[in-house]
Amino acid sequence: AQSVTQLDSQVPVFEEAPVELRCNYSSSVSVYLFWYVQYPNQGLQLLLKYLSGSTLVKGINGFEAEFNKSQTSFHLRKPSVHISDTAEYFCAVSHRGPARQLTFGSGTQLTVLP
Amino acid sequence: ETGVTQSPTHLIKTRGQQVTLRCSSQSGHNTVSWYQQALGQGPQFIFQYYREEENGRGNFPPRFSGLQFPNYSSELNVNALELDDSALYLCASSLGGQANTEAFFGQGTRLTVV
Repeated sequence: AQSVTQLDSQVPVFEEAPVELRCNYSSSVSVYLFWYVQYPNQGLQLLLKYLSGSTLVKGINGFEAEFNKSQTSFHLRKPSVHISDTAEYFCAVSHRGPARQLTFGSGTQLTVLP
Repeated sequence: ETGVTQSPTHLIKTRGQQVTLRCSSQSGHNTVSWYQQALGQGPQFIFQYYREEENGRGNFPPRFSGLQFPNYSSELNVNALELDDSALYLCASSLGGQANTEAFFGQGTRLTVV
């Protein structure tokens, strides 16, 4: 079994400031890690994913995340946020293998203030 | 645009009724997964279909059932609706059999049970 904990339910930040959204996971087997973004009344869009290799992963819209195996974390960062980044962000894991069944965290609402 | 379409977009049903939700997967994808996203929560995995066979199931009762058709589109059926079934139902398609493929989500069906 695996689980995901997103430590902050809401993160307000001013425009052009940096932001970090925290994610910790628990699993008895090796996993793949993902961050998704959800805008109001829409489905989920993949921001980035970690499958293997370099622990620093770059995604779309200037986001990046770092996989830390010892701390079982996969925190999402952006050096300078925009108003348009306001959305719900979900961290997710899946066990390694072709059947991609995702386990999601409860989400972090990022609100970018002018 | 991801190419995954869901219908209907919104639906209101009465407790005890039955509902069918539909999902057309992205061209070339043979795997469809369904998720339930209650208000303020992350999506929860219901089940997955791969080449018309159920390929994994989450912690949902048997009154949640599904089908996948030869063209890889899919249906989610829920019998004996309960108030707690009110949620956003998300469909995701992917190319099964390949571990590093991305799951593309539709915009979801908002089900309200009254």
